[in-house]
Amino acid sequence: ETGVTQSPTHLIKTRGQQVTLRCSSQSGHNTVSWYQQALGQGPQFIFQYYREEENGRGNFPPRFSGLQFPNYSSELNVNALLLGDSALYLCASSLLTGATEAFFGQGTRLTVV
Amino acid sequence: GQQVMQIPQYQHVQEGEDFTTYCNSSTTLSNIQWYKQRPGGHPVFLIQLVKSGEVKKQKRLTFQFGEAKKNSSLHITATQTTDVGTYFCAGHSSNDYKLSFGAGTTVTVRA
Repeated sequence: ETGVTQSPTHLIKTRGQQVTLRCSSQSGHNTVSWYQQALGQGPQFIFQYYREEENGRGNFPPRFSGLQFPNYSSELNVNALLLGDSALYLCASSLLTGATEAFFGQGTRLTVV
Repeated sequence: GQQVMQIPQYQHVQEGEDFTTYCNSSTTLSNIQWYKQRPGGHPVFLIQLVKSGEVKKQKRLTFQFGEAKKNSSLHITATQTTDVGTYFCAGHSSNDYKLSFGAGTTVTVRA
């Protein structure tokens, strides 16, 4: 077990709705990254948070937003859900930003109908 | 932007045989990482390579980073059923916090 926990594990939402996914990072890790993994694909980087600030962003629209809290836990918010947002959303924590090992949570399976 | 490609997409292996999966980046990487994801699971870190030409071994797994730091390979010897899963390579470009993943090589094993 990595010590990274995500909630919920599964979620079904309707197009146009908003969703919040949560992640508790491994103890001592101050960096959290979020990824979207479509079926049969590799994880795609959404953004990274370091000490409560967004530290980098992938090619995702502004309706994907996030937060990191003082205890380094994090949230991913997605507004105006589209069918194409259906995917496994993975949170990964690491000790430092940049080139360090990432510890992934078990993910949240989001289905948009 | 940076693209990471992996071949083959699928690898069907007879138990006991060897195989290699390859990873290529469109840009020079500061490091390459390899992850394994079991069916229904999440990616699990295997190893990181940083130096040009670096080779690391973990039991039956051999990882290599190319001289130009744009490609990598994972070689598995004497494949076992426990090797089933999808193997991803992922890398950082210099001064970039984004970890770019390949699409993975999905390995199945015939007993």
